[in-house]
Amino acid sequence: QKEVEQNSGPLSVPEGAIASLNCTYSDRGSQSFFWYRQYSGKSPELIMFIYSNGDKEDGRFTAQLNKASQYVSLLIRDSQPSDSATYLCAVTPGWADRGSTLGRLYFGRGTQLTVWP
Amino acid sequence: DGGITQSPKYLFRKEGQNVTLSCEQNLNHDAMYWYRQDPGQGLRLIYYSQIVNDFQKGDIAEGYSVSREKKESFPLTVTSAQKNPTAFYLCASSLLGSSYEQYFGPGTRLTVT
Repeated sequence: QKEVEQNSGPLSVPEGAIASLNCTYSDRGSQSFFWYRQYSGKSPELIMFIYSNGDKEDGRFTAQLNKASQYVSLLIRDSQPSDSATYLCAVTPGWADRGSTLGRLYFGRGTQLTVWP
Repeated sequence: DGGITQSPKYLFRKEGQNVTLSCEQNLNHDAMYWYRQDPGQGLRLIYYSQIVNDFQKGDIAEGYSVSREKKESFPLTVTSAQKNPTAFYLCASSLLGSSYEQYFGPGTRLTVT
């Protein structure tokens, strides 16, 4: 079983602050990494994906990937109360498993973020 | 509108009855997936299908069955053998190729009493 670990939180930040969400994974061969946002009672929504080491920015969101440390993070700048949700990290399996598990993602349990006004 | 539809949004059944949850996509995605989510828990994979007429068991397949007769459709049957069927069921789909991001439907909340 591939492990994807996230701090369950809750993580609480004031409006306007930077929220930092972290994720570690066990499969050194994982190639693609995804962040989903899930509002209470709703389905997950893809917000970012990253394949290469380094940073990828999209508006107020920045994904950071360090494959050597098996670590991926999501930074949310200028946090808003509307960002309050659970954030799920997901990774693809390593190349050795691709055949039967092609397309499969391994999800962490999620980190609950609360942004207070 | 392109997307993934799941019906119904809420479903109530008596214990001992089989129930089938619908999932349809018009994104021309290759693969489809079924997840279960319990309160405060992450997503657990039930079944997935990479191609029509083929599917793979996920981590918690016992008590569930699926079919993939058409590319667009991937129905999930929750059988009476599933011991704790009450949960939020999510269907997703993805292209297989250079990217593997999954897109989710709105979900079906199943309550069995």
